[in-house]
Amino acid sequence: SQTIHQWPATLVQPVGSPLSLECTVEGTSNPNLYWYRQAAGRGLQLLFYSVGIGQISSEVPQNLSASRPQDRQFILSSKKLLLSDSGFYLCAWRTGVLYEQYFGPGTRLTVT
Amino acid sequence: KNQVEQSPQSLIILEGKNCTLQCNYTVSPFSNLRWYKQDTGRGPVSLTIMTFSENTKSNGRYTATLDADTKQSSLHITASQLSDSASYICVVSARNAGNMLTFGGGTRLMVKP
Repeated sequence: SQTIHQWPATLVQPVGSPLSLECTVEGTSNPNLYWYRQAAGRGLQLLFYSVGIGQISSEVPQNLSASRPQDRQFILSSKKLLLSDSGFYLCAWRTGVLYEQYFGPGTRLTVT
Repeated sequence: KNQVEQSPQSLIILEGKNCTLQCNYTVSPFSNLRWYKQDTGRGPVSLTIMTFSENTKSNGRYTATLDADTKQSSLHITASQLSDSASYICVVSARNAGNMLTFGGGTRLMVKP
């Protein structure tokens, strides 16, 4: 069966520090991968999606970047965090059947 | 612009009672609509998914309806339990390149004993 992992689960970082969040998927190949952010009490906002290794599409201009170095690995990064980067970050992958998306457990990022 | 609006924003009900959550969308061309349940601090988990031709789908005590003509969906929860306390998110997929999703803001449900 397919499994999606995210780490770390929680992170507290100072303003101006770098960021690296990792997402990996098991049990499938060539998935579409997605990064979302959810601000407190708000809906999910799509940040990036990837249809293959090295292929990244950005939905919202921002302080963040994404990379896909391997088929089942998706990384969200920042060189210098802003206070506004705080939120709950979710990774998701998509199947071909009805394009169902499955979400990871999320990473709670607090920028102080 | 594709949009998904959910109501109410929040809801408090007593354990054992029923409730209905609403979702209105303006996503075109429509592909499918999903309801997700998101527990606090966790990733969303899919409850139901409906295509254009389906107007109702059940998953245990959860029943979703879809009216593609009026572009409305509802999620009915029967005999609520404390574990139903969560945010419920309506998500609509457009039938286009990438089948991108449009998320509603969610309804935060609290079930009290």
